Amino acid sequence: AQRVTQPEKLLSVFKGAPVELKCNYSYSGSPELFWYVQYSRQRLQLLLRHISRESIKGFTADLNKGETSFHLKKPFAQEEDSAMYYCALSLRGNKLVFGAGTILRVKS
Amino acid sequence: ETGVTQSPTHLIKTRGQQVTLRCSSQSGHNTVSWYQQALGQGPQFIFQYYREEENGRGNFPPRFSGLQFPNYSSELNVNALELDDSALYLCASSLGTSSNYGYTFGSGTRLTVV
Repeated sequence: AQRVTQPEKLLSVFKGAPVELKCNYSYSGSPELFWYVQYSRQRLQLLLRHISRESIKGFTADLNKGETSFHLKKPFAQEEDSAMYYCALSLRGNKLVFGAGTILRVKS
Repeated sequence: ETGVTQSPTHLIKTRGQQVTLRCSSQSGHNTVSWYQQALGQGPQFIFQYYREEENGRGNFPPRFSGLQFPNYSSELNVNALELDDSALYLCASSLGTSSNYGYTFGSGTRLTVV
C-alpha cells in the first residue's frame, strides 16, 4: 500500500541551525514526491517537487530510492520558515498521499 | 487571476443530515480534487474530477459524492453525516491530471457534525 511517513510531529531548531525534515514513503511504482507548506493562517501551498530538482527558499530535497526517503533540508533556518510541512507522494493521475505533517518551529 | 475559493468557511450539521460544500477552481484549471483533513492528520484524498467526470476515488464510502460543472467549479456532497465526518475539507485545482502540475489549494471548509 502507498504510504508517506513523517516521523516527527514537531521539530524545534534555533535560527541559523540546519534543518532536516524527514519523509519516508512506501510505493511500488516510480515515485513522484512533493513538499507542501502551510504558514500560519495561510493555505497549503507547493514548496518543491523532486522532479524539478530545484531549491526554493533555500530548501532542497533529494529522492533516495534505496532508502525510500525524500528528506527536506535547509542549511540555515530562518524564523520565517516556521510552518507546517507535509510530504506528499503523487499516484497516477496526480492524486496525492500526504504524510501527517511536521511542525517546524524556528526559535530566535 | 483568482485562486481557489471554497464556501462556506465553517458549517455545523447534525448527525444524519446532508451537506454540500462548494469550490471554485483557479482560472484555467480543469481538474479539481477534494481532500479530507482530520485534526492532527495530513489531507486524505476523497476524489478527483477532470472535465466533469470523476477521475479516481480514495477510500471513502458512496455517501461521499461530487460534481464538476462546465466552468470547472465543483461540489462535494456528504449524505447521512456521521460524527467522524467532522474535518477540514480542502479543494485543490490543477491544470490537469499530470503530476507535473502542482495543486492550488483553497482555504477549506471546516465541517463539524454534532
